[in-house]
Amino acid sequence: QVHLQESGPGLVKPSETLSLTCTVSSGSVSSGNYYWSWIRQTPGKGLEWIGYIFYSGSTNYNPSLKSRVTISIDTSKNQLSLNLSSVTAADTAIYYCARDRRGINWFDPWGRGTLVTVSA
Amino acid sequence: SSELTQDPAVSVALGQTVRITCQGDSLRGYYASWYQQKPGQAPVLVMHGKDSRPSGIPDRFSGSSSGNTASLTITGAQAEDEADYYCNSRDSSDARLFAGGTKLTVL
Repeated sequence: QVHLQESGPGLVKPSETLSLTCTVSSGSVSSGNYYWSWIRQTPGKGLEWIGYIFYSGSTNYNPSLKSRVTISIDTSKNQLSLNLSSVTAADTAIYYCARDRRGINWFDPWGRGTLVTVSA
Repeated sequence: SSELTQDPAVSVALGQTVRITCQGDSLRGYYASWYQQKPGQAPVLVMHGKDSRPSGIPDRFSGSSSGNTASLTITGAQAEDEADYYCNSRDSSDARLFAGGTKLTVL
């Protein structure tokens, strides 16, 4: 059973860069059947897709975040990473990584999520 | 338009049938997927494709789609089905879309 685990700082200062890592176990990020997505959820609100990456390094980002987002992948470590620059309080959210079925689009499984608070 | 919409809240009596709907232009070309989220937990996939349930999801959950509307139906709702439900699909740029979610209350 594939397992995903997010990690990174829980507190980021405004204007700085949020950086998170997702470690995949019991499965390979190099599978050609899947993308690997980042998704966030602001407290008490709905889900927002941030972007995905394929093992080749190709990416697709949410247009509303594209100017600030970079997703990268390290196949040797079986990890993907998220960088979100110039953060504000509006970026405070639970950040999830999820496996994303290529060509069909469903997310399964999800990591447990990690809360990132943007505050001075 | 690349938006998906859901009713914010729906209620159902215990043991009755409830349908949760999701609307959007992208659903005319792409199937929706559905997720159940309970408080403090990550979302869980409960339905995808035309009507496919992942392993472990009870068969009281079913899916359907017509035109610009996708539906998740729970036949014989149980107390443990009380949760937030989200639909997701994609657009022509392969960007992923989420609707705002539906809070299901089981009375």
